[in-house]
Amino acid sequence: NAGVTQTPKFQVLKTGQSMTLQCAQDMNHEYMSWYRQDPGMGLRLIHYSVGAGITDQGEVPNGYNVSRSTTEDFPLRLLSAAPSQTSVYFCASSYASSDRFPYEQYFGPGTRLTVT
Amino acid sequence: AQSVAQPEDQVNVAEGNPLTVKCTYSVSGNPYLFWYVQYPNRGLQFLLKYITGDNLVKGSYGFEAEFNKSQTSFHLKKPSALVSDSALYFCAVSPLSGSARQLTFGSGTQLTVLP
Repeated sequence: NAGVTQTPKFQVLKTGQSMTLQCAQDMNHEYMSWYRQDPGMGLRLIHYSVGAGITDQGEVPNGYNVSRSTTEDFPLRLLSAAPSQTSVYFCASSYASSDRFPYEQYFGPGTRLTVT
Repeated sequence: AQSVAQPEDQVNVAEGNPLTVKCTYSVSGNPYLFWYVQYPNRGLQFLLKYITGDNLVKGSYGFEAEFNKSQTSFHLKKPSALVSDSALYFCAVSPLSGSARQLTFGSGTQLTVLP
């Protein structure tokens, strides 16, 4: 199993450009999510999905779009990049958790994005 | 709203000494608690979790964590630190309700084990 894969590893954008960060998992996980990591702030949830065709907003969704057409893929789209979106982005996946058994999340290696 | 506090940005410990990385939380109702570790230029890796039952949870690489409900704490511990334990450690909390199990992370603690 490759686990959770993310592409690209690094990206530099100019303000106003758009791009898509790719995320794929081969573990048949129902739950997928996107986080951004900023120094001193831990990880903050951007968007998440509990299954194909179902997405919802997390803590910091503004400026980002997601879709989930398959179980395996969960791309994150930056609509019009801004310097405030300079960050490291992590995709994660897990089995769908129940009330009695929260599953741990598996994280991808991250995408380091710089917006100038 | 749930929250996690990791009061120490940096913890230094000598190799072979015990280590503790502190975490306190705030959540409505019973919490699910997690510890993750991040090595340089890598994604987060799961270490251990508390669901219910025994307050002492054992995890990967010899780590353990103690859940204390009265102090709303979930400190990470290891009896004898290794240089290879040097990494960034995150505590996270999830509420009991809701199927998405949205995690709230602390700001992280950089652990440095000195040879």
